[in-house]
Amino acid sequence: QKEVEQNSGPLSVPEGAIASLNCTYSDRGSQSFFWYRQYSGKSPELIMFIYSNGDKEDGRFTAQLNKASQYVSLLIRDSQPSDSATYLCAVNSGNTPLVFGKGTRLSVIA
Amino acid sequence: SAVISQKPSRDICQRGTSLTIQCQVDSQVTMMFWYRQQPGQSLTLIATANQGSEATYESGFVIDKFPISRPNLTFSTLTVSNMSPEDSSIYLCSALRELNTEAFFGQGTRLTVV
Repeated sequence: QKEVEQNSGPLSVPEGAIASLNCTYSDRGSQSFFWYRQYSGKSPELIMFIYSNGDKEDGRFTAQLNKASQYVSLLIRDSQPSDSATYLCAVNSGNTPLVFGKGTRLSVIA
Repeated sequence: SAVISQKPSRDICQRGTSLTIQCQVDSQVTMMFWYRQQPGQSLTLIATANQGSEATYESGFVIDKFPISRPNLTFSTLTVSNMSPEDSSIYLCSALRELNTEAFFGQGTRLTVV
């Protein structure tokens, strides 16, 4: 059974701080890793994807992958109230559907 | 990225009836999926919609309750049959353009069964 684990939160950070979201996965054969943001009542939207070990930066977002530890994280710098949402970690192992974690609810306090 | 049009966006249905949800992708995609999301919960995969053949259902979901069609590489439907209040949920279709790439989502269908 392929599993993706996330802390459900809520994670509360003050505006301007760094929010750190973490995710672990069980399948060592996983090849691609994704972070989605989901606002209440909306469908998930892709924020970042990462395929290789290390860091990948896109604006205020940095995804970090450590395949040896089966760990992927998302850092949000200069957090804004508009970043308040549920963040879903998803993992893909090739010709299979994405496996989603339960999501971490982030609250950025103004 | 792919654009997925899903409809209806919401519906209120009587128990015992059926509702068919449609998803149209703006370009050909390799795989299409159907998810259910209960309020405050994460996504639960219902099935993989296979083009030209029967869908592949996850544990706990059966074809008689959730018949799925995928007649071509851009279109799929999910029917929620013989509905009960427990079927009230958000239903999402999703697609992968290529293997190991990101999944895109339709806008979702908020279903309420009364």
